[in-house]
Amino acid sequence: SAVISQKPSRDICQRGTSLTIQCQVDSQVTMMFWYRQQPGQSLTLIATANQGSEATYESGFVIDKFPISRPNLTFSTLTVSNMSPEDSSIYLCSVERLAGPSYNEQFFGPGTRLTVL
Amino acid sequence: SQQGEEDPQALSIQEGENATMNCSYKTSINNLQWYRQNSGRGLVHLILIRSNEREKHSGRLRVTLDTSKKSSSLLITASRAADTASYFCATRSGNTGKLIFGQGTTLQVKP
Repeated sequence: SAVISQKPSRDICQRGTSLTIQCQVDSQVTMMFWYRQQPGQSLTLIATANQGSEATYESGFVIDKFPISRPNLTFSTLTVSNMSPEDSSIYLCSVERLAGPSYNEQFFGPGTRLTVL
Repeated sequence: SQQGEEDPQALSIQEGENATMNCSYKTSINNLQWYRQNSGRGLVHLILIRSNEREKHSGRLRVTLDTSKKSSSLLITASRAADTASYFCATRSGNTGKLIFGQGTTLQVKP
């Protein structure tokens, strides 16, 4: 499996500020994703991070709020902008690895636990 | 939107017992994956079962898939206290791309 690291592992932020989360993978991967997990909830996909181009956002998520960069095949960042307490969540980076001729397994980083006051 | 529904939402058993969790989904899938999450930390990939497979084993884990009923189950045999965690199923419609997660089952294994 791919080894994925995220920084920071947790943070406490003031409302109105922004936080950038970094995701580093130990090998080149084609697909990288960012998920959000609100307290006590399941995971929701925010966007697919595309290398060298704009991310593809899911319904309900916009670039102005969650700008994403992916400068190469092993690194991506997610920024949570103009934060409010409702943004308090765990943010998880995920990558895909080819597991067979027609299917991929998806692996997750350790997550970043964000608390907005 | 969430595709998967899992039941039970919470399960409490004694160490040594078996734990069974179920997952149902709505649309056709390419594969289904099960994950474990300990105390709000990152997800650990447990097992992937493809749409043309009916059963798969990995150690103490047994996963079944019934595409006619659009459901899957995860069986953990001879449970241990360390198995205490939340378990999620996730489905994928194509060969690649986004996963859609179920709501998860919280398992507590009492020593």
